[in-house]
Amino acid sequence: GAVVSQHPSWVICKSGTSVKIECRSLDFQATTMFWYRQFPKQSLMLMATSNEGSKATYEQGVEKDKFLINHASLTLSTLTVTSAHPEDSSFYICSARDPRQGGGNTIYFGEGSWLTVV
Amino acid sequence: QKEVEQNSGPLSVPEGAIASLNCTYSDRGSQSFFWYRQYSGKSPELIMSIYSNGDKEDGRFTAQLNKASQYVSLLIRDSQPSDSATYLCAVSSGGYQKVTFGTGTKLQVIP
Repeated sequence: GAVVSQHPSWVICKSGTSVKIECRSLDFQATTMFWYRQFPKQSLMLMATSNEGSKATYEQGVEKDKFLINHASLTLSTLTVTSAHPEDSSFYICSARDPRQGGGNTIYFGEGSWLTVV
Repeated sequence: QKEVEQNSGPLSVPEGAIASLNCTYSDRGSQSFFWYRQYSGKSPELIMSIYSNGDKEDGRFTAQLNKASQYVSLLIRDSQPSDSATYLCAVSSGGYQKVTFGTGTKLQVIP
C-alpha cells in the first residue's frame, strides 16, 4: 500500500508553546489530507480536511486559529497546535487520499504523533 | 442516525475461531468500502477494500458486501491473539467524496 509518514512520532512541549506536526505522502501526490485526534480508548475524531493550495476545512467545534493547517505541496501537510495546553495532549493522526486507488477514495494513515503538553 | 454504524464490542472469540465483524451504512449511494485495523496506541492500517456485492478474500480475511441491505462485514478465519485490535469500517460515495468512518469494533482473541 501507499506510504504516509508523520513526524514527530511523539513530542513533549511546555504549556503556551506551539508545536508543528508534519505529514508526508511518500509515494503519491495527495491533493487531500486529513487530520484526526484520538483520545485514549476513544474513536478517531476528524479535525479538518486539508486541500493542497487552499484553506483547510475544519469540522464543527475545532478552532481553526488554534489548529493551523497548511498544505503547501502535494506531498506535505502540517498541523500546528498553537498555544498548547494540557488538554490538547492527544494522539494526532494524519491521513492522505491516494488518487490512484479505489476510485480516489483509498485513505492511508500516517503513524500518528503523540503530543504531551506539560 | 449515524452514517456508519458498528457495534463497539468487545467481541471475544477463542483462538482459531472465525471472527465476524459487521458494519451498516445509511447512504445508498455508497460505492467504496474499507476495513482498517487499529492496534492500541497505533494508527489505523488498511486491510481490505471492497467495491462490488459479494465476497472478497485476502488470506485469512474475507470482506462481504451487500448493497441492498447496506451491510458490509469482515470475517477473520483462524483468529489469532495478534488479531486483537479495533476494526474500523469506512464508507465512501465514490469519486472524491468524503470517507466516513465507523467508531470501530474491538476484537479480543482469547488464547
